[in-house]
Amino acid sequence: DVKVTQSSRYLVKRTGEKVFLECVQDMDHENMFWYRQDPGLGLRLIYFSYDVKMKEKGDIPEGYSVSREKKERFSLILESASTNQTSMYLCASSFGRGYEQYFGPGTRLTVT
Amino acid sequence: SQQGEEDPQALSIQEGENATMNCSYKTSINNLQWYRQNSGRGLVHLILIRSNEREKHSGRLRVTLDTSKKSSSLLITASRAADTASYFCALGGSNYKLTFGKGTLLTVNP
Repeated sequence: DVKVTQSSRYLVKRTGEKVFLECVQDMDHENMFWYRQDPGLGLRLIYFSYDVKMKEKGDIPEGYSVSREKKERFSLILESASTNQTSMYLCASSFGRGYEQYFGPGTRLTVT
Repeated sequence: SQQGEEDPQALSIQEGENATMNCSYKTSINNLQWYRQNSGRGLVHLILIRSNEREKHSGRLRVTLDTSKKSSSLLITASRAADTASYFCALGGSNYKLTFGKGTLLTVNP
């Protein structure tokens, strides 16, 4: 079974802090994704990566950056956390274009 | 980017009944996927149906796709309390991305 793990289930940070969210998948998937999920807004794509060191902006990239130095690991970075980045963050991976995505358990981030 | 719209937004049924959720969209797709999310957790993939397919089954799940009407339905038969979750449709286009709808919250009462 595909396993996608995220570094924390719950995280509390202060405004202005730099925040790292880590995601690791164990199935040699090419593609990895970061979403945020907010009530009433559904899942929105922040960034995705289709290969090591390759990344593309999703629908809401502002205030975020990503890093993919190894195939199995995809990091989401909040350079200077703000309260409007309080959300559930979900990481996913997939084999390739047109395939299903496998999700991690999510990180609920609160920025105070 | 386009988004699927699930209908209804919420559905409450008794154990043993069937549950039907619908997803409508506006532009062309390569595939349509359904996911389940239990409260506060990650999403779990249920079924993927490609644009040249009309129906797929997986256990108690049945998905249909009508590309002429730009709509899909997810049927869960003989529902159980454990089926209580949010269900999302996701649209797959020609690129790597999926676009998710806002979901249907299904409650199955024991």
